[in-house]
Amino acid sequence: KAGVTQTPRYLIKTRGQQVTLSCSPISGHRSVSWYQQTPGQGLQFLFEYFSETQRNKGNFPGRFSGRQFSNSRSEMNVSTLELGDSALYLCASSRLTGTRSSEQYFGPGTRLTVT
Amino acid sequence: AQKITQTQPGMFVQEKEAVTLDCTYDTSDPSYGLFWYKQPSSGEMIFLIYQGSYDQQNATEGRYSLNFQKARKSANLVISASQLGDSAMYFCAMREDGVSQGNLIFGKGTKLSVKP
Repeated sequence: KAGVTQTPRYLIKTRGQQVTLSCSPISGHRSVSWYQQTPGQGLQFLFEYFSETQRNKGNFPGRFSGRQFSNSRSEMNVSTLELGDSALYLCASSRLTGTRSSEQYFGPGTRLTVT
Repeated sequence: AQKITQTQPGMFVQEKEAVTLDCTYDTSDPSYGLFWYKQPSSGEMIFLIYQGSYDQQNATEGRYSLNFQKARKSANLVISASQLGDSAMYFCAMREDGVSQGNLIFGKGTKLSVKP
């Protein structure tokens, strides 16, 4: 079974630009969550989508948004990029949502650098 | 207050020896799940082991076992027979209903170095 895939793997953007990251979950998984990892703040939850609906959102500004398609693939978008948005963005998928699911498998991440 | 505390920023272990990575958690939810992930320098988070709050027995997965002490709110990861490939960052995470609605809350991590 194929794992979680994320594209692109690496990205360099300039301040003020916007970026879209993509995540394809494991086949059969309907929940997709996004996390941001930085050296200073560690791993922080961004949002979760389940069956095309945003189920939960972390404490991030409105510049961070996402969506999920009917095939469970998810995209996240960051508008008006700031230097502090440089991070590793990780996507995780699971079959179910909430504590009913004991599994959450991560993709390889997208490393975003904002200059 | 931190929800997940990993008190060991870095640890060394000799190859073939066992090592315990500490994790304590804080929650008032009766139903929660505890996870351990390994993150090599490549960046990918690799799922190692899961323990549910209602599980009666400690979880085991190959060389990994979770020492779950519910009353003390600790969920330490034990790696037996360490290998050089075990050198990585290790993260403890919790998922609870209620405020977080199921998303993972991570600790700061422990960097494990295995010496030959």
